[in-house]
Amino acid sequence: DQQVKQNSPSLSVQEGRISILNCDYTNSMFDYFLWYKKYPAEGPTFLISISSIKDKNEDGRFTVFLNKSAKHLSLHIVPSQPGDSAVYFCAATGPYGGSQGNLIFGKGTKLSVKP
Amino acid sequence: EAQVTQNPRYLITVTGKKLTVTCSQNMNHEYMSWYRQDPGLGLRQIYYSMNVEVTDKGDVPEGYKVSRKEKRNFPLILESPSPNQTSLYFCASRTGTSGYYNEQFFGPGTRLTVL
Repeated sequence: DQQVKQNSPSLSVQEGRISILNCDYTNSMFDYFLWYKKYPAEGPTFLISISSIKDKNEDGRFTVFLNKSAKHLSLHIVPSQPGDSAVYFCAATGPYGGSQGNLIFGKGTKLSVKP
Repeated sequence: EAQVTQNPRYLITVTGKKLTVTCSQNMNHEYMSWYRQDPGLGLRQIYYSMNVEVTDKGDVPEGYKVSRKEKRNFPLILESPSPNQTSLYFCASRTGTSGYYNEQFFGPGTRLTVL
């Protein structure tokens, strides 16, 4: 049973526009969420995270929003650039002290940003 | 440069021939982990280690062994590989119990094909 779901396998966006990647989770014990970005032939790299005590975290062009009641988070990229084309993984962990910080990953969404 | 290294990067082998994929990190991280990535399944955790001589099963441990004799190394051992272990493997590390929610740093991946 999937605990972290990314229901869109792919997303195509025009350069300069907003990219919105979505993620849903089922485990109410999750209290920390992360987004990783992965280019072909490379390992995933950390992008941005959010604690369950917040509903928004921003880092430059990247913003993550968390809706705990809906068990939903989203990653906004504004403006999107061709270099953002990659696979984005949503990950979750928790509870603190009970999960050893092990990450549960979604299946990923492949973002293509067209010039 | 802080990094996680894996060797080999590519490996083609035959069913039943024991193999080891090495993983090493130079960040003095306590926590290390192995994942496999398969199409449509995302990243799934195989084994993890909270510190030297402390290892535990992840979500898909069958057919794999690990050891953690030194802090920097966390080899993944396939005693008798089978074709269903054909996958892309990633090693990751992060700071330990004091950094449950610190980001994990991933290696570049090892693409394994078992014929």
